[in-house]
Amino acid sequence: EPEVTQTPSHQVTQMGQEVILRCVPISNHLYFYWYRQILGQKVEFLVSFYNNEISEKSEIFDDQFSVERPDGSNFTLKIRSTKLEDSAMYFCASGGGARGGQPQHFGDGTRLSIL
Amino acid sequence: DQQVKQNSPSLSVQEGRISILNCDYTNSMFDYFLWYKKYPAEGPTFLISISSIKDKNEDGRFTVFLNKSAKHLSLHIVPSQPGDSAVYFCAASSPSVGADGLTFGKGTHLIIQP
Repeated sequence: EPEVTQTPSHQVTQMGQEVILRCVPISNHLYFYWYRQILGQKVEFLVSFYNNEISEKSEIFDDQFSVERPDGSNFTLKIRSTKLEDSAMYFCASGGGARGGQPQHFGDGTRLSIL
Repeated sequence: DQQVKQNSPSLSVQEGRISILNCDYTNSMFDYFLWYKKYPAEGPTFLISISSIKDKNEDGRFTVFLNKSAKHLSLHIVPSQPGDSAVYFCAASSPSVGADGLTFGKGTHLIIQP
C-alpha cells in the first residue's frame, strides 16, 4: 500500500539554525499538508499546498516557515530560524482530493529537537 | 480553543467487547469528520470518516455515528482486539478553514485488556 515517507526521523538543531524537513507524498495525490504535535498536545494544522502554492495556513505558520515542492516527488517544510518552541513532531500528509472527498494520509513524522 | 473535544484521555475495554470512543465539536461549520488511530512512533492512520449528510458509516468492525444536533460523534469498535490498543484521534474539517486542514481532538488512549 502506498505511503507517505518522511526524512529524517529525528532532527536535532541548534536554536537559530535553519532546518528542512522532507516528505515524499503518495504519488497520485494532489494535496499536501504539514501538521505538528508538541509533546502532550494535540496535532495542529500548519499549512496545505495545492497546485504549487499554499492554499491555506494557520496562525502558527508565520514568516519563519515556508513550504516547497522542488520537484515532482518531494514536499519540504523549512523553518528559517528555529526557536526552542519549534520542538515537536512534524507530520506530513497527502490527500487525493480536497474537502472530504478523500482522507489525508500521514507519514510517521520527524521529531525536531531544538537545543 | 478546543473546537474538537475528546473528553476521555483513556479507555480500558476487555477483548471481545465493544469499544466506544466519543468526540464533541463546537464549530457548526464542520461538515466532514474522521477517525485516526496512532501507535507510538508512527503517524496517524486513517480509520473511517463520515460526511455531515450521513448519520452512520460502517467499515468492518468500525462504525462511526454522527449526531449533528448534539454536535457529537462516536466510534464503535466491535469486537475489540488487542491490536486496537492505540491512541484514537477525532478530526474535523470545514469549508471555512479553506483547503481542508484538519482540526484534531487531543486523543483517547484505548487499552484492550485480554
